[in-house]
Amino acid sequence: AQTVTQSQPEMSVQEAETVTLSCTYDTSENNYYLFWYKQPPSRQMILVIRQEAYKQQNATENRFSVNFQKAAKSFSLKISDSQLGDTAMYFCAFMGNTGFQKLVFGTGTRLLVSP
Amino acid sequence: EPEVTQTPSHQVTQMGQEVILRCVPISNHLYFYWYRQILGQKVEFLVSFYNNEISEKSEIFDDQFSVERPDGSNFTLKIRSTKLEDSAMYFCASSEIVNTGELFFGEGSRLTVL
Repeated sequence: AQTVTQSQPEMSVQEAETVTLSCTYDTSENNYYLFWYKQPPSRQMILVIRQEAYKQQNATENRFSVNFQKAAKSFSLKISDSQLGDTAMYFCAFMGNTGFQKLVFGTGTRLLVSP
Repeated sequence: EPEVTQTPSHQVTQMGQEVILRCVPISNHLYFYWYRQILGQKVEFLVSFYNNEISEKSEIFDDQFSVERPDGSNFTLKIRSTKLEDSAMYFCASSEIVNTGELFFGEGSRLTVL
């Protein structure tokens, strides 16, 4: 069974600085997908960024980028130029190549961006 | 921007009672899901639903749970006889296509079983 581990329950960063959230996972599959979802306070979870395991290039979405290390089964999220609106719970998630959008989530990292 | 909406936002019920959680997925989406998060624990997959039938379900989704799309807009999760351990936040999600991992989630329905 796949597992996703986020070892940082909480992180803090000041506005305009860079922060990295860690995620490791375990799977025996070779083809899979990894995601970071963001859940602002009292709001829906939304997809931040997606990485296909067969792609070597790290995904980027504006200020958000990942460091995907397949051999190490590591998938960290870097947020550059942090903004107050980045304050949220961040969930790392895994999806195998089969299994109807069945995401396996980590426990989440609460990120607080302060002025 | 279209959103997934869930009702109620919070429901308190007595153990043994039936509960129905309602969701209105995004209108052109074809795939529907329920996830739940027990306080302090991980978000867990419960069930996926497509073409009016369950596509996949987890071990958590036992005979006490059922899902239904009674009309063209609602997607419901029913818990027949609630237990204390059913207390959790229940998230509905929908997606337009499958196998992208991009799910659109609702804000969740918090269920408290006393």
